Amino acid sequence: ETGVTQTPRHLVMGMTNKKSLKCEQHLGHNAMYWYKQSAKKPLELMFVYSLEERVENNSVPSRFSPECPNSSHLFLHLHTLQPEDSALYLCASSHYLSWDPYEQYFGPGTRLTVT
Amino acid sequence: SQELEQSPQSLIVQEGKNLTINCTSSKTLYGLYWYKQKYGEGLIFLMMLQKGGEEKSHEKITAKLDEKKQQSSLHITASQPSHAGIYLCGAGAPNSGGSNYKLTFGKGTLLTVNP
Repeated sequence: ETGVTQTPRHLVMGMTNKKSLKCEQHLGHNAMYWYKQSAKKPLELMFVYSLEERVENNSVPSRFSPECPNSSHLFLHLHTLQPEDSALYLCASSHYLSWDPYEQYFGPGTRLTVT
Repeated sequence: SQELEQSPQSLIVQEGKNLTINCTSSKTLYGLYWYKQKYGEGLIFLMMLQKGGEEKSHEKITAKLDEKKQQSSLHITASQPSHAGIYLCGAGAPNSGGSNYKLTFGKGTLLTVNP
């Protein structure tokens, strides 16, 4: 499978649930990103990992916990979310920690609904 | 921080009509990127503009960068249903605290093309 894949594609969870989003890439990229896309808001960068090390936490609440066990996988662990956390969560990867749009690939996203 | 204002927020056109989407920056533009997003899909990179006055075309989509106005426009000629989606502009800034992977995005323009 090529490109960046994300699972699940859709997720509905209650505020007391714990769930995880998964992102996978087999492009040989060294950097991976989590973005949040809320309705009528700009795309927001949440976390950035480079060589499995977190290099950015963009003031994200602790109810979102990222994990990067290896350069091909990125997780976003969710717990005690709020309804305002409902959004499309996009994963992206790039060869190096820089924004070269020709080398950056986005996954299809996970549509999260918090009830 | 830099903000990108896109206009219009949404647009409905008849197939075959031309249209323009604008992206205006609150600060000097050092690089402007256009992306397209279809529902349930990740961002697809369209074009990158780096110099004032630069103009690029891909099939029926043309993008221009007006550095003085801190603005970019995306023009679609003879629109087709396949052009429907959300168009996002993104911009980078030099020396973003050494973080050259951070981009600011606009809120997006939802384009509907009626057959």
